[in-house]
Amino acid sequence: NAGVTQTPKFQVLKTGQSMTLQCAQDMNHNSMYWYRQDPGMGLRLIYYSASEGTTDKGEVPNGYNVSRLNKREFSLRLESAAPSQTSVYFCASSQNYGYTFGSGTRLTVV
Amino acid sequence: GQQVMQIPQYQHVQEGEDFTTYCNSSTTLSNIQWYKQRPGGHPVFLIQLVKSGEVKKQKRLTFQFGEAKKNSSLHITATQTTDVGTYFCAGQADQGGKLIFGQGTELSVKP
Repeated sequence: NAGVTQTPKFQVLKTGQSMTLQCAQDMNHNSMYWYRQDPGMGLRLIYYSASEGTTDKGEVPNGYNVSRLNKREFSLRLESAAPSQTSVYFCASSQNYGYTFGSGTRLTVV
Repeated sequence: GQQVMQIPQYQHVQEGEDFTTYCNSSTTLSNIQWYKQRPGGHPVFLIQLVKSGEVKKQKRLTFQFGEAKKNSSLHITATQTTDVGTYFCAGQADQGGKLIFGQGTELSVKP
């Protein structure tokens, strides 16, 4: 039982490049989330999807887009990466309570 | 918008000492959750508190939810080196709504 799988684990981008972070869960959870984690700032919600077919903005959505491809998959896209988007990105899913997190993507934008 | 503040940011203790982290929300919460993140790892769910004044224990960990449902605490008795990591509280204003995290308390334990 894999839980929440994120790819890639590490990525270096040049300013202006685009990329998509992939996330998949195998727990049949309805809700999925994208967070970013920066030193001293905890985890900040970027976007979430309460159910298949719906997405909503979180605390820090600017510069990102998401797609809830199906119940299992929720992707995060950076259209034009900026150094301020250097961070660790976590995907999570939940059903009733308690989030299950993926192992994270460490992204550096140079 | 909803904010969750957590203190202290860092705590260094000698093995065997107790540890407490505190969490305060700007709004009344439906529930509060606690997570632990080991160095280099991802957050792992520990517990959820729902009722006003609720107290729950997990071995050496004691979790409390305030009467007004705006604050919470995590207390670890007799810390061990395995307790090292960052502890996050996270609150939901509505069940199933956005989960807003505090900044976390990083615990280091000196053997």
